[in-house]
Amino acid sequence: DGGITQSPKYLFRKEGQNVTLSCEQNLNHDAMYWYRQDPGQGLRLIYYSQIVNDFQKGDIAEGYSVSREKKESFPLTVTSAQKNPTDFYLCDSSELAGRGRETQYFGPGTRLLVL
Amino acid sequence: RKEVEQDPGPFNVPEGATVAFNCTYSNSASQSFFWYRQDCRKEPKLLMSVYSSGNEDGRFTAQLNRASQYISLLIRDSKLSDSATYLCVVTGGSTLGRLYFGRGTQLTVWP
Repeated sequence: DGGITQSPKYLFRKEGQNVTLSCEQNLNHDAMYWYRQDPGQGLRLIYYSQIVNDFQKGDIAEGYSVSREKKESFPLTVTSAQKNPTDFYLCDSSELAGRGRETQYFGPGTRLLVL
Repeated sequence: RKEVEQDPGPFNVPEGATVAFNCTYSNSASQSFFWYRQDCRKEPKLLMSVYSSGNEDGRFTAQLNRASQYISLLIRDSKLSDSATYLCVVTGGSTLGRLYFGRGTQLTVWP
């Protein structure tokens, strides 16, 4: 089955520790996105990548880093600079054909908890 | 100004009620429009796309007014299982494929 997988489902982080969230897709999609969902805030874009070896900052990139070495993978690292990262992280992918997004492919999400 | 604004809610309605959600978007170049449903602690799932001609899927009807930059979702004959948060989502802007989300409107259907 095609889709997006995110791991782990829950991730515990100590203050000052860097952690990496995994996102993998087997849909052959060009673009991948990371969103964070804060309570009452909705989803906000952290980083996105439209092609391998290229990525761009979104609205709330500070305290995060990404890489896109392979088309199917877009890991997100939460760095120690992120002061309050206890939130729900969602990964998303899409084709870039210039047509509307008729299909949605979200991963199941990773909930990050600070110890 | 936020890209997408939604009714703040929450909405608490009895089973069988009709409920309407509204949403406005700021970017006139937005190209695609959606309603997503999100259950507690789960990822958003596409409920339906929204077209200018309006579209209906069973008890759900979505409308788009491009001139007013306004999107609506109507749920008829509400069921307990409709309880969730409904997210208004648009694409467009300088980042192709990027989704812009409203904050969501929480719906609780009670027996």
